[in-house]
Amino acid sequence: EVQLVESGGGLVKPGGSLRLSCAASGFTFSTYSMNWVRQAPGKGLEWVSSISSSSRYIYYRDSVKGRFTISRDNAKNSLYLQMNSLRAEDTAVYYCGREVGTGSYIEYWGQGTLVTVS
Amino acid sequence: EVVMTQSPATLSVSPGERGTLSCRASQSVSSDLAWYQQKPGQAPRLLIYDASTRATGVPARFSASGSGTEFTLTISSLQSEDFAVYYCQQYNNWPPKTFGQGTKVEIK
Repeated sequence: EVQLVESGGGLVKPGGSLRLSCAASGFTFSTYSMNWVRQAPGKGLEWVSSISSSSRYIYYRDSVKGRFTISRDNAKNSLYLQMNSLRAEDTAVYYCGREVGTGSYIEYWGQGTLVTVS
Repeated sequence: EVVMTQSPATLSVSPGERGTLSCRASQSVSSDLAWYQQKPGQAPRLLIYDASTRATGVPARFSASGSGTEFTLTISSLQSEDFAVYYCQQYNNWPPKTFGQGTKVEIK
């Protein structure tokens, strides 16, 4: 069974940093591209970042470029999101997701971790 | 950036009735479109990919169609567990991968 478990969320002051983790199990993590998607309270879904299986290809939405860094450790079956210079508008539940192939839809989602910037 | 627009914002349907949700892209996304269902307090769940293919385990009452800029998700006979928010997402022209703003399907 595919499982994605996010952790690392919490309350942080504006300008602060936080590192999110996503522990993957139930599949061969090293062969799948992964994503971070966020959802502000009461709002819709917003794609944040993607990383290919080998970390060769990395993409970000414009609003987080230069502040967020996506990475992965295939030996540890883990995905990360380092978030620096946090702003109030970064407040959201952050989901990790496994996509099919490269540059496609998200087939499996974690349960999310809440980041509050205040 | 491809803008995805969903309509209506809220769909009020009686159980057993048919519900039709729309998603429009600001430019062609071919058939690179997915639909997700999200219930309160839960993560999204993949329903449809490649515009019309049901994901594993998705009931046959969910069907979808469209290509280019116009897409439709139909729930043939709404069950109590189908009342949720539905999002479309394009993955043709990215980054960024873009989602619609969602359609809430509520009990009439």
